[in-house]
Amino acid sequence: GAVVSQHPSRVICKSGTSVKIECRSLDFQATTMFWYRQFPKKSLMLMATSNEGSKATYEQGVEKDKFLINHASLTLSTLTVTSAHPEDSSFYICSAEPQETQYFGPGTRLLVL
Amino acid sequence: GENVEQHPSTLSVQEGDSAVIKCTYSDSASNYFPWYKQELGKRPQLIIDIRSNVGEKKDQRIAVTLNKTAKHFSLHITETQPEDSAVYFCAASTTSGTYKYIFGTGTRLKVLA
Repeated sequence: GAVVSQHPSRVICKSGTSVKIECRSLDFQATTMFWYRQFPKKSLMLMATSNEGSKATYEQGVEKDKFLINHASLTLSTLTVTSAHPEDSSFYICSAEPQETQYFGPGTRLLVL
Repeated sequence: GENVEQHPSTLSVQEGDSAVIKCTYSDSASNYFPWYKQELGKRPQLIIDIRSNVGEKKDQRIAVTLNKTAKHFSLHITETQPEDSAVYFCAASTTSGTYKYIFGTGTRLKVLA
């Protein structure tokens, strides 16, 4: 299967700071990547679809100005959580699809103090 | 909006027994149905998938069946082993809005030795 990496794997930050998470497709090009959020013992909640060279498509209820997405190349998408607050603490996972199958990154566990 | 229902939420089986997880989708245009296995703290891993032009697919101890008329699909695991213990998610593709997956709520499978 295709390989997707994500960095960092864990991050702890203070309330009010911004955190950037990177998602990379290592062995294929991805015009589309997806960003999910997962709460403990819950399913994957799609936040937004990242499109290379154009604006991301956000799901209903997800704040665009809070969760900034940049897909500047065919192998890299970034999610920036701006002015993070404790309620933003969660497991963030990206995925990318070489064709129609999504392959997931290892996830980033964010803890906002 | 489109949704995917998944049952049961938890499932315990004895080692060697079979496990069945069922999902129902709402979007009649869905044409791709992947299943993912997620171990604690890890990324979801694709274990099997099926397309709408196929009724059944098998890969060693894992099989998936699809009933397009009833809009439901099932995961079957035979001869279960303790390492099969994990959370399993079904998903259905949808083009409502943009192309994406709708995930089920997950099934926590415990295989008792």
